[in-house]
Amino acid sequence: QQQVKQSPQSLIVQKGGIPIINCAYENTAFDYFPWYQQFPGKGPALLIAIRPDVSEKKEGRFTISFNKSAKQFSLHIMDSQPGDSATYFCAASRMGGSQGNLIFGKGTKLSVKP
Amino acid sequence: EAQVTQNPRYLITVTGKKLTVTCSQNMNHEYMSWYRQDPGLGLRQIYYSMNVEVTDKGDVPEGYKVSRKEKRNFPLILESPSPNQTSLYFCASSFLGVRAKNIQYFGAGTRLSVL
Repeated sequence: QQQVKQSPQSLIVQKGGIPIINCAYENTAFDYFPWYQQFPGKGPALLIAIRPDVSEKKEGRFTISFNKSAKQFSLHIMDSQPGDSATYFCAASRMGGSQGNLIFGKGTKLSVKP
Repeated sequence: EAQVTQNPRYLITVTGKKLTVTCSQNMNHEYMSWYRQDPGLGLRQIYYSMNVEVTDKGDVPEGYKVSRKEKRNFPLILESPSPNQTSLYFCASSFLGVRAKNIQYFGAGTRLSVL
């Protein structure tokens, strides 16, 4: 049973475009939603995260939008650059439960063309 | 430098030959975890550990063993590797509790091929 569904599987945009990656979750007990970025040959690294008490969080060119009622959240990358080309994973967890156990989506491979 | 170190980075082995992938972290993290990454399947948790001598199964534990005898080390053991265990493996660690913010730090990965 996949608890976090991520789409699309791959995405190609031109430099300056705004790629959007979407995730949906099922477990209403989840209360922490991070995004991890993975470059080829590297391990994933935390990019940005949100708690469900806010609807949006921005860090630089990266924005998470969160819709609690729809159980969906998305990552927007403003003014995308070729250096943003990577695989992006959304995830969810319960901070108060089995803390540390992240449930990951299947990943989105993003290519930003010059 | 704070880091999670996995060894080896690349490994080619044959079916049935026992192997161990080591993982060590220098951040005094309580929580450690092993994931495997396969195309189209994302990151799936194999085993995790909340502290020394405390381990538990993740989503795909079959064919794997772990141990946590020391806080910094969390080796992944494949007693009898099979070709379906060919994958990219990641170790991760984090604090638990308020300090955690659930930020997991990942190693650079171990690419395993079982022939």
